[in-house]
Amino acid sequence: GEDVEQSLFLSVREGDSSVINCTYTDSSSTYLYWYKQEPGAGLQLLTYIFSNMDMKQDQRLTVLLNKKDKHLSLRIADTQTGDSAIYFCAETPRDSNYQLIWGAGTKLIIKP
Amino acid sequence: NAGVTQTPKFQVLKTGQSMTLQCAQDMNHNSMYWYRQDPGMGLRLIYYSASEGTTDKGEVPNGYNVSRLNKREFSLRLESAAPSQTSVYFCASSEGPGSGANVLTFGAGSRLTVL
Repeated sequence: GEDVEQSLFLSVREGDSSVINCTYTDSSSTYLYWYKQEPGAGLQLLTYIFSNMDMKQDQRLTVLLNKKDKHLSLRIADTQTGDSAIYFCAETPRDSNYQLIWGAGTKLIIKP
Repeated sequence: NAGVTQTPKFQVLKTGQSMTLQCAQDMNHNSMYWYRQDPGMGLRLIYYSASEGTTDKGEVPNGYNVSRLNKREFSLRLESAAPSQTSVYFCASSEGPGSGANVLTFGAGSRLTVL
């Protein structure tokens, strides 16, 4: 079945850029999402990208989509301590718009 | 706006006990969802309701039942709790995919421990 994979941890220094990577298997997925989960809280949408786009930028966030390699990345510029969280990648498979497929989440650790 | 409200936030049960997790949204969303989150496994969909009056199984429905009480409320029931159901449960809602992205709004979560 479809799968979404992410590294479990990423450690970066404050002020550097963070790049969180995600790979997926469903080549027919329509939308891909990035959600953020802060400790003890629910998930919040950061951004999403339609499958016919290569890049989307929103302030400090840049999403890159490589459909050929089925690779999605989230770049956070000038990483701050408030960016400490778990970041989830998810996709909408073409055969079920309701049942998103989720990665396990990448915990972003900020070093001073 | 409150968004998505879940109750209770914490619950400890003994094996075999039953309980209901409540969820309400005030965004007039059509679709509602119940997920469970386990360490290192991301989110797994238990049940969802595409619209008022409908419910469908997700990836891991066994041991759970749901009720879409009205457009605002979607409850999750554990009839006979098992230790394997120890998890953090999230309710979410969305307008529904329509012809675009299906953006979910999540509640704060309910941490359930089954002894």
